[in-house]
Amino acid sequence: QKEVEQNSGPLSVPEGAIASLNCTYSDRGSQSFFWYRQYSGKSPELIMSIYSNGDKEDGRFTAQLNKASQYVSLLIRDSQPSDSATYLCAVALSGGSYIPTFGRGTSLIVHP
Amino acid sequence: GAVVSQHPSRVICKSGTSVKIECRSLDFQATTMFWYRQFPKKSLMLMATSNEGSKATYEQGVEKDKFLINHASLTLSTLTVTSAHPEDSSFYICSARQSNYGYTFGSGTRLTVV
Repeated sequence: QKEVEQNSGPLSVPEGAIASLNCTYSDRGSQSFFWYRQYSGKSPELIMSIYSNGDKEDGRFTAQLNKASQYVSLLIRDSQPSDSATYLCAVALSGGSYIPTFGRGTSLIVHP
Repeated sequence: GAVVSQHPSRVICKSGTSVKIECRSLDFQATTMFWYRQFPKKSLMLMATSNEGSKATYEQGVEKDKFLINHASLTLSTLTVTSAHPEDSSFYICSARQSNYGYTFGSGTRLTVV
C-alpha cells in the first residue's frame, strides 16, 4: 500500500514568515515528487516538481527532497495571505501513466 | 506548459439524467488521464484511470456502469455520470501528465443533482 502522509494542520503563520510543509512517503521506488496548491472550491495547481535529492528553488518556493529518509518538504518564504490554501504532496513512479499518490493535504493559514 | 481543459465547470441536472464531462489536453497528447472526485473539505479520491484506446481502470468501490469513461483520442477523455442521484453531487476533476511536467489538473466540474 503506497502511502503519502501529511499533517492536516491547519498550519498558521504570520505574514512574512517562512511556512514549512512536510510530507513522507512509503514507496522507496518513488521517483517523482510534486507539490500542489488548492484553493477552496478550485482544482489543484502545480507549484513545484522535484526528482533529485536536494533543494530546488522557484521564486518564494523551495522544495526539498531526501529519498533516504523518504521525506519531501516545501518552504514558502515571505508568506502572504494569498498563500492561504491547502497544499497537497504527490508522489509517483517515473512515467506519465503511473498513478500518483496524493497526501490528504495541509491547510496553511497566513494571517496579516 | 501543459494545459488541461475541462468542461463544463458547473452543471445542475435532475435525478435520473446523465451528465457528460469532457477533459482535453490542449497542447500535448495524453495516453493516460485520471478522474477524481472530491467532497467539500475532503481529499482527492481517484475514481479511475482512463487509457486511450482501451478500457478504463476503475478504483475499488467505483461503479464502472455508473461512471462511464471513454478515452477515444490522445487528447480527449470523457466521464459520463449515468442516472445521476443527489449523492453523486460532487466536484469532479480530471488530470493528465506531460513529459517533464507534473500532473496537470483540469479546472474541475461541480455537479449538483437535484
